[in-house]
Amino acid sequence: AQRVTQPEKLLSVFKGAPVELKCNYSYSGSPELFWYVQYSRQRLQLLLRHISRESIKGFTADLNKGETSFHLKKPFAQEEDSAMYYCARAISQNEKLTFGTGTRLTIIP
Amino acid sequence: DAGITQSPRYKITETGRQVTLMCHQTWSHSYMFWYRQDLGHGLRLIYYSAAADITDKGEVPDGYVVSRSKTENFPLTLESATRSQTSVYFCASRQGQGYTFGSGTRLTVV
Repeated sequence: AQRVTQPEKLLSVFKGAPVELKCNYSYSGSPELFWYVQYSRQRLQLLLRHISRESIKGFTADLNKGETSFHLKKPFAQEEDSAMYYCARAISQNEKLTFGTGTRLTIIP
Repeated sequence: DAGITQSPRYKITETGRQVTLMCHQTWSHSYMFWYRQDLGHGLRLIYYSAAADITDKGEVPDGYVVSRSKTENFPLTLESATRSQTSVYFCASRQGQGYTFGSGTRLTVV
């Protein structure tokens, strides 16, 4: 089965410390990978796409095909980063977006 | 941006009742999706649609029915609601870059 794995359900980090949210995927081809963020009881918002190679809100994510990983990183955590983060993968042939189970990030003041 | 809207935002229904959740998008995107969000499971795909009158099952389709007679609407119907269908339901659309999600419908089946 095609899977997206986020091994950490909960992650707590002190304000100002670096953040890394892990994501691994299983797929032999070239998937599209995304990070979505969900603030309390709000809709999911696109944070990053691996194709765009952007840095949004200080977050970056690099696709590592050898390790099949797409970890999300930020050098200095801020309190407003507290949210639920989902890694997701799409296969271009059918456009279906498959999500990981999510990581709840809490930034400790 | 309110290009994709879901209604209702909250719904409480009784076991066995039929419930329809609405999803409307203003962009004429080809692809639309329904997900359910549950603790420990993340978001799981229920059904998706590649275009009007084309729908297909996702990961957890049992107990749900969809239709897409118009490109902009993609309603999700629970034919006979069960407590296990208590969840938050998100509709999404895609064309080109990225997926856009609605605000969600929080459904409680009692």
